[in-house]
Amino acid sequence: GNSVTQMEGPVTLSEEAFLTINCTYTATGYPSLFWYVQYPGEGLQLLLKATKADDKGSNKGFEATYRKETTSFHLEKGSVQVSDSAVYFCALSDTGNTPLVFGKGTRLSVIA
Amino acid sequence: GAVVSQHPSRVICKSGTSVKIECRSLDFQATTMFWYRQFPKQSLMLMATSNEGSKATYEQGVEKDKFLINHASLTLSTLTVTSAHPEDSSFYICSARDKTGQGEKLFFGSGTQLSVL
Repeated sequence: GNSVTQMEGPVTLSEEAFLTINCTYTATGYPSLFWYVQYPGEGLQLLLKATKADDKGSNKGFEATYRKETTSFHLEKGSVQVSDSAVYFCALSDTGNTPLVFGKGTRLSVIA
Repeated sequence: GAVVSQHPSRVICKSGTSVKIECRSLDFQATTMFWYRQFPKQSLMLMATSNEGSKATYEQGVEKDKFLINHASLTLSTLTVTSAHPEDSSFYICSARDKTGQGEKLFFGSGTQLSVL
């Protein structure tokens, strides 16, 4: 079955540091890949997505590239801010009427 | 953009009572909605898939008599936690898939924090 493996957290970084959160997946088909973010006290929000190999999703300075050869979708940001502190979830969705499969989430804390 | 409205955002109830959570797609029709539960420090767990006009499909281990799901229209699905107990305290999230099915359009509600005393 489909699965998502996400690096364990928590991750603590200083402001302006470089961020990488690793995500790898297993899927039988050609899924769409997502990063969701959950800010404290709020629900999930879609951060970015990629629907096919070599696509790069980007938003708010974050980006992730769909790598079919390594089955990965690592999240990166060049310079994090305190306001980026949140829990980040990697997810995939097969085509068709299937729900998302989520990773366990990675908590990011950015300190000033 | 498309919006999924989920209410209430937070509810506190006494043990033994029932709580209804609504999930509405505001500007699109959703033939399919999904209900997730989020445990502390864990990922979202899919509880059930709700299809308009038919019975929900529950994931293994989810009690269908306890978590009643009704998807009566193309814009509304409800989750009712019946006879709630403290162990049901959790964060519940719905998501809705755009009926057009063009590309990947899946939208999330803002979640409901349920606390059972």
